[in-house]
Amino acid sequence: EPEVTQTPSHQVTQMGQEVILRCVPISNHLYFYWYRQILGQKVEFLVSFYNNEISEKSEIFDDQFSVERPDGSNFTLKIRSTKLEDSAMYFCASSGLAAYNEQFFGPGTRLTVL
Amino acid sequence: AQRVTQPEKLLSVFKGAPVELKCNYSYSGSPELFWYVQYSRQRLQLLLRHISRESIKGFTADLNKGETSFHLKKPFAQEEDSAMYYCALKRGGSNYKLTFGKGTLLTVNP
Repeated sequence: EPEVTQTPSHQVTQMGQEVILRCVPISNHLYFYWYRQILGQKVEFLVSFYNNEISEKSEIFDDQFSVERPDGSNFTLKIRSTKLEDSAMYFCASSGLAAYNEQFFGPGTRLTVL
Repeated sequence: AQRVTQPEKLLSVFKGAPVELKCNYSYSGSPELFWYVQYSRQRLQLLLRHISRESIKGFTADLNKGETSFHLKKPFAQEEDSAMYYCALKRGGSNYKLTFGKGTLLTVNP
């Protein structure tokens, strides 16, 4: 069964550094999402992406964040200058075109900012 | 604004006992409600959604618009049901964001 994959599984970085989190959505899916979960808190929506542009974003998704689909398979989340409070589990998800399609989640990348 | 409340952070039951995980929501439009489950060291996966009205792994959930609730129930809990359960809401009709509750950690004791 096809799955969403994410790399790396764990990323440690210094405050102020740029990080890129990578996701490979399910191949025939057209909607892509990033969510994050700070330890002990709820899973929060960051951004959704469709047809090569952002379709929805949350207040968390400020100018420090960007998303890109650089080729036909990868979907990336870039954080330009990481802060301590960016430490979280970041989940990628993808879904098909139909309105009632399920969002399939990746295993997550744990980002630790020191 | 969309909001999902799961009042219980932890729920512990014995095998064979009934289980109910509570979920209340706040949304002015027509929502779609979901239950996602995360077993230990595994990814979030959809358990069930209100529009399909089916029973998955013995779990059911009924959307009660009057009480704005979508509680998850199972008459006889099994040890393999131990997991983190998240209630989630989405605006109906398209591929919009999911809004999650904080989750309930269910432990089923032997």
